[in-house]
Amino acid sequence: SQQGEEDPQALSIQEGENATMNCSYKTSINNLQWYRQNSGRGLVHLILIRSNEREKHSGRLRVTLDTSKKSSSLLITASRAADTASYFCATVSSGAGSYQLTFGKGTKLSVIP
Amino acid sequence: DADVTQTPRNRITKTGKRIMLECSQTKGHDRMYWYRQDPGLGLQLIYYSFDVKDINKGEISDGYSVSRQAQAKFSLSLESAIPNQTALYFCATSAPKGTQYFGPGTRLLVL
Repeated sequence: SQQGEEDPQALSIQEGENATMNCSYKTSINNLQWYRQNSGRGLVHLILIRSNEREKHSGRLRVTLDTSKKSSSLLITASRAADTASYFCATVSSGAGSYQLTFGKGTKLSVIP
Repeated sequence: DADVTQTPRNRITKTGKRIMLECSQTKGHDRMYWYRQDPGLGLQLIYYSFDVKDINKGEISDGYSVSRQAQAKFSLSLESAIPNQTALYFCATSAPKGTQYFGPGTRLLVL
């Protein structure tokens, strides 16, 4: 089962615009992570936000977390063609013995030059 | 050199054949994972291991087996491959509850 559900499934924007992707999840989490995948390649970690954090920044990336709504968003500012990829959220459940990342199906972002 | 390597990168096999996918890591992590990705979908966990003596089933372990030969090595076997096991397979490592580091993937086609 996949806990994280990204929205939208696909997003197409012009270079220079901002891209916002959303993720909803179902159970309590220890942390939530965003990953990027270029076509057919391995996933690359972008950012991790813990359950007691509300916002985190890394370069042109901004992630927010609302645990009351069980949702997160990833904002990419001033997008570039090289940002074209699929973006996945993944959650680590809270509680003793939690072990795995549960991935959503991803948002496919296309940045048009 | 890459932290997580997978061999082979591409494999074509026939129904009923046994194949092994290998994964090595230089991150020094105890935790290793095998995932499967089907087109347009997220990753599904097949097996995971917290250390050399620990093996656990994930969401979709049927038809697969694993071996943790050493801290740095974790292999995935398909005992008798079938066409619906055609997919992209990823190995990953992590520290507890932390970031996962993925290999480049193995593209498997079962005819």
